[in-house]
Amino acid sequence: SQTIHQWPATLVQPVGSPLSLECTVEGTSNPNLYWYRQAAGRGLQLLFYSVGIGQISSEVPQNLSASRPQDRQFILSSKKLLLSDSGFYLCAWSSQGGNTIYFGEGSWLTVV
Amino acid sequence: GENVEQHPSTLSVQEGDSAVIKCTYSDSASNYFPWYKQELGKRPQLIIDIRSNVGEKKDQRIAVTLNKTAKHFSLHITETQPEDSAVYFCAARGMDTGRRALTFGSGTRLQVQP
Repeated sequence: SQTIHQWPATLVQPVGSPLSLECTVEGTSNPNLYWYRQAAGRGLQLLFYSVGIGQISSEVPQNLSASRPQDRQFILSSKKLLLSDSGFYLCAWSSQGGNTIYFGEGSWLTVV
Repeated sequence: GENVEQHPSTLSVQEGDSAVIKCTYSDSASNYFPWYKQELGKRPQLIIDIRSNVGEKKDQRIAVTLNKTAKHFSLHITETQPEDSAVYFCAARGMDTGRRALTFGSGTRLQVQP
């Protein structure tokens, strides 16, 4: 069966520091991958999605970036965090041509 | 792109009552409409979904209806229980080429009072 893991689960970072969140999917190949962000008490905002290695689409302008160095690995990064980057970050996947999106456990980021 | 509106933002019901959450979408070409349940601090989990060729789908106490003409869909929970308390998100998927991502509504916080 397919599983998705992301880490770290929680992170407290100072303003201006870098960020790296990592996500891996197991049990499938060539998945579509996504990064969503959920601000406190808010909805789910799509940040990036990827249909293949090295193929990244950005939904909103921001100081975050994403990379997909391997088929089942998706990384969210920032060179300098802002206070407004705080939130719950969710990695997700779906199969090529599939409908359902499955979320990882999420990473809580607090920028102080 | 797709835009999804969800109402109400909060909903409080007595245990055993029914709860209804409504969503509208903007892209008439959207063809897939899932509902997710998110418990506090947890990941959203799919509870039911419907495709555009179906008007209604039911799974035990939950059901979803879709009105393509009006571009709205609803989640119905009957005989609510305290464990139904959570945030519920509707979503829609547009038909943009290569874009399989979902656009989510803003969420409804459902509280079931025992």
